[in-house]
Amino acid sequence: GQQLNQSPQSMFIQEGEDVSMNCTSSSIFNTWLWYKQDPGEGPVLLIALYKAGELTSNGRLTAQFGITRKDSFLNISASIPSDVGIYFCAGQFGNEKLTFGTGTRLTIIP
Amino acid sequence: DGGITQSPKYLFRKEGQNVTLSCEQNLNHDAMYWYRQDPGQGLRLIYYSQIVNDFQKGDIAEGYSVSREKKESFPLTVTSAQKNPTAFYLCASSIGDGHYTFGSGTRLTVV
Repeated sequence: GQQLNQSPQSMFIQEGEDVSMNCTSSSIFNTWLWYKQDPGEGPVLLIALYKAGELTSNGRLTAQFGITRKDSFLNISASIPSDVGIYFCAGQFGNEKLTFGTGTRLTIIP
Repeated sequence: DGGITQSPKYLFRKEGQNVTLSCEQNLNHDAMYWYRQDPGQGLRLIYYSQIVNDFQKGDIAEGYSVSREKKESFPLTVTSAQKNPTAFYLCASSIGDGHYTFGSGTRLTVV
């Protein structure tokens, strides 16, 4: 099955830095979503986007639904230690099951 | 509080044994899903069910079986035919939109 391409695969940053990651697909989606997985836990939904060009924020997180409907971006501002984890993008077409990205692992260097 | 519960959190299996992982939700969600996650890897879909008494194979169904006799429950059996079962297993549910609620996972280890 298809997996969306996420980049970067991993990031090592210092506390306080901003983070950017993106997700691309070969096919279009009606909905883009971003999930975060803490170590040893299940992913939790962070942001959902429903319209091409939409820009949505959730605290320090901002995500955008790409104009082509084939990509999405997630930014985290002023990172803090609890931002550590794996971030997954996911796309949905209609009411079909989600297609997940390969994940971006975020590590904060002391 | 509504949620999705996976049990056990840790499970050890001897080679050649079948084991069943439990997934229960009280969110009244129609759809349920099982994913496998290997270290440093993404989520791979094993099976999913969109309605009671019906389920479909995902991308890596070989060596696994499921049942959906009740809306609340979607157990996953890892059979002896699954040659490399050591992994982190995640169950999720949804109303059919993209808002999945995940359980906290079961870590299965073959000993």
